[in-house]
Amino acid sequence: EIVLTQSPGTLSLSPGERATLSCRASQSVTSNYLAWYQQKVGQAPRLLIYGASSRATGIPDRFTGSGSGTDFTLTISRLEPEDFAVYYCQQYGSSPITFGQGTRLEIK
Amino acid sequence: EVQLVESGGGLVQPGGSLRLSCSASGFTFSRYAMHWVRQAPGKGLEYVSAINNNGRDTFYADSAKGRFTISRDNSKNTLYLQMTSLRAEDTAVYYCVRDWQGDYWGQGTLVTVSS
Repeated sequence: EIVLTQSPGTLSLSPGERATLSCRASQSVTSNYLAWYQQKVGQAPRLLIYGASSRATGIPDRFTGSGSGTDFTLTISRLEPEDFAVYYCQQYGSSPITFGQGTRLEIK
Repeated sequence: EVQLVESGGGLVQPGGSLRLSCSASGFTFSRYAMHWVRQAPGKGLEYVSAINNNGRDTFYADSAKGRFTISRDNSKNTLYLQMTSLRAEDTAVYYCVRDWQGDYWGQGTLVTVSS
């Protein structure tokens, strides 16, 4: 099983700042099948990025995914108030599918 | 518009059974793999089970193996999760998810295992 470790656990930033979230895999993610999700309180997760760097439909271009192999990054270029939420990475290249433990992005 | 609507959650005693359903609309259901993902109260996301588009291949997390069964009826555009021998630690919101990269999620159905 591929273990995904996200860092930091909590990130405190202000609107307008740049956020950098990390996801590290215990072994190489097959075909870079790595996704990022955003989850707000009381809502289902929303797909942001798939295939490590492809933006999902309707996702603003301030969200960028990068990385390959075992190290992946989600960057939010300029934080908007609606971006403060919990973010999860997920690998879907190997069975079982696994998730990271999440990064909470909070307003400073 | 893609819609996934889960049902079947509720309160069940430890050792009991429950069947979750996910009704899909707005897309050709038979073309997509489907998954169940759960989230315990205040916790992160946990993959439970997956099934390929024609139902022939199924996958389970270790926590679900031997107790849960995923299935689908492509003629009814419906995904199922049969859960048996339920434990307190199965208490969670269960989400129905489309495709391997999870491009659409339902709103979830709450399963509470408690005496």
